Amino acid sequence: DTEVTQTPKHLVMGMTNKKSLKCEQHMGHRAMYWYKQKAKKPPELMFVYSYEKLSINESVPSRFSPECPNSSLLNLHLHALQPEDSALYLCASSQTTSGGFNTGELFFGEGSRLTVL
Amino acid sequence: AQSVTQLGSHVSVSEGALVLLRCNYSSSVPPYLFWYVQYPNQGLQLLLKYTSAATLVKGINGFEAEFKKSETSFHLTKPSAHMRDAAEYFCAVSVNKFYFGSGTKLNVKP
Repeated sequence: DTEVTQTPKHLVMGMTNKKSLKCEQHMGHRAMYWYKQKAKKPPELMFVYSYEKLSINESVPSRFSPECPNSSLLNLHLHALQPEDSALYLCASSQTTSGGFNTGELFFGEGSRLTVL
Repeated sequence: AQSVTQLGSHVSVSEGALVLLRCNYSSSVPPYLFWYVQYPNQGLQLLLKYTSAATLVKGINGFEAEFKKSETSFHLTKPSAHMRDAAEYFCAVSVNKFYFGSGTKLNVKP
C-alpha cells in the first residue's frame, strides 16, 4: 500500500476546462514533488516544494499551477491544457536535508492518468 | 554533471533465469543510488537503495544490487525470475536532485 495518495486516478478534460489533481501524505515529509510521465519514459520533474514553499519549477508552462496548502497536501491546478499534456502525473514526497534538497528516497503515489481532449 | 545510463531498453529472460539490469552513473560526488520498479498504470515503488553503507544492497522481491565505484555501476540482479517481475525498472541517482535513467522493460517468458 502506498503512503502517498493521489486523486483522481483518472481524469478526462477538455482544453477549456479547469481541474485539479490532489496529493496527500502523512509520513511527516517536508518535501513534495510533481512529476509528469509519458508512456515508455522516465518521470520528468515539474515542481518541488520544500517546507511548503516552491523551491524548484522546471520551466513548466503556466497552465500548470502548483499549490501546497500545508505540509501534507499538494495540489496541481490545470487550466487550458493541450492534448500533449496527456500523461501520468505522479506525486512524490521525501524527507529533506537542512539544505532543503533530498538525499533519501522518493515515495511515489499511484499517479493520476490525465487525458486532454 | 550527474547522469544515469541504463543499458538495454528491453531485457527478456525466461522464468527461473538470472535477471541482470545494468545501470551506470556519473557523479562528481558520492551519490545515493536507487532502483525503482513500475508496474503498468502504477506509480514507482522502491526496490532498494545504496547510501554509502554496504556495497551489496538487498531489496524487496529477491532483488539485489552491487555498488562498484571503480566501474561507476549499480547493476540490479535477481537469481531466478518470476512472471510477476515483468515491469519497467528505473535506476536513479540522487545528488541534491533525483536523476532517473531511461528505464528498462523486463519481459519474463514462461
